[in-house]
Amino acid sequence: GESVGLHLPTLSVQEGDNSIINCAYSNSASDYFIWYKQESGKGPQFIIDIRSNMDKRQGQRVTVLLNKTVKHLSLQIAATQPGDSAVYFCAEITGGYNKLIFGAGTRLAVHP
Amino acid sequence: KAGVTQTPRYLIKTRGQQVTLSCSPISGHRSVSWYQQTPGQGLQFLFEYFSETQRNKGNFPGRFSGRQFSNSRSEMNVSTLELGDSALYLCASSPFPGSGNTIYFGEGSWLTVV
Repeated sequence: GESVGLHLPTLSVQEGDNSIINCAYSNSASDYFIWYKQESGKGPQFIIDIRSNMDKRQGQRVTVLLNKTVKHLSLQIAATQPGDSAVYFCAEITGGYNKLIFGAGTRLAVHP
Repeated sequence: KAGVTQTPRYLIKTRGQQVTLSCSPISGHRSVSWYQQTPGQGLQFLFEYFSETQRNKGNFPGRFSGRQFSNSRSEMNVSTLELGDSALYLCASSPFPGSGNTIYFGEGSWLTVV
């Protein structure tokens, strides 16, 4: 099958609205936090990352916020488009390894 | 520049058989890691290789193994397949370990165990 996210929480938004996807992480020692987008039938695609010593980072139409006090990460997508429909994962990474610890994922559904 | 290439894309195996999946990293990338993705468990780290050495291993049974060749290409093997091994197996490459924001994924190999 082509879907690996059958039971994920879903965020439904109207095209043009802003979307906010949230993620709780577990390891306070993580160095990097990364957001990935996964479209149906494809591998995860890097969106944006943030180092643990930052609170906010902006990209094109996307902003990531990091709250280390409550171990919370969010991804804000401005002016959401139908092409943004996908499953979004946060991931954390620690030390000199490329071992990503992924969150459960959120499905974003954009309606015209 | 070609991306991460995984083969085969789809395969069906019978319980008890073994399977080998292949991954060719992005040119110049020397670190390769593998992940298993299932609806129930999500994305889980299997192992990471760099310079033909396994640097890190996830919490999977010994039936799951891997290796990396001198050209950085990697293979993973699952022996004595179980129904629960049905999953999307993803390979990711990066220039070197610790390069967290430059990890790129392939399209994955869909394994169905019947």
